[in-house]
Amino acid sequence: SAVISQKPSRDICQRGTSLTIQCQVDSQVTMMFWYRQQPGQSLTLIATANQGSEATYESGFVIDKFPISRPNLTFSTLTVSNMSPEDSSIYLCSVEEAGRSGNTEAFFGQGTRLTVV
Amino acid sequence: TQLLEQSPQFLSIQEGENLTVYCNSSSVFSSLQWYRQEPGEGPVLLVTVVTGGEVKKLKRLTFQFGDARKDSSLHITAAQTGDTGLYLCAGSQGGSYIPTFGRGTSLIVHP
Repeated sequence: SAVISQKPSRDICQRGTSLTIQCQVDSQVTMMFWYRQQPGQSLTLIATANQGSEATYESGFVIDKFPISRPNLTFSTLTVSNMSPEDSSIYLCSVEEAGRSGNTEAFFGQGTRLTVV
Repeated sequence: TQLLEQSPQFLSIQEGENLTVYCNSSSVFSSLQWYRQEPGEGPVLLVTVVTGGEVKKLKRLTFQFGDARKDSSLHITAAQTGDTGLYLCAGSQGGSYIPTFGRGTSLIVHP
């Protein structure tokens, strides 16, 4: 399975500032995914990052708030812009691989715990 | 709308006890995954079930996929403190590469 390194692991940020989260994969992958995990909530997909094209955002998430870069097949960044306390959450980078039966399995980085004060 | 309902949401037990966590849906899934997430870490894949009625065992953990592929259960025998964590189920439906996640069951095993 892919090994995913995500940084920073945690940060405390002032409201109104921006934070960029980095995600590095040890193998080339076509798509990388960014999730948000709020306290007591399920994982919510923010966007799918494709190399060579703009990211595809899910309903409720916009590029101005969560700009994403995907410069190559092993790396992606997610920026949380103009942060407010409501953005306090865990942000997770993920890739998917085919399992033994051909089904899709997701693998995750260790997450970035963001606290906005 | 939460497609995958997990229960219970919280579980606090003593070491040595048995427990079962449920993942239910009204939708059919082509496969279903179980993950465990420890504090400060990302979810780690435990198992994938793909066949209705399938049972998989991982040491003290037993996973079952419902016959209709709409539900799944995770049973832990003789729980240990190391089993503490958030257990997430995630279902994949044909034609979509993006899994749907349940809200998770937070398990605490006390020594």
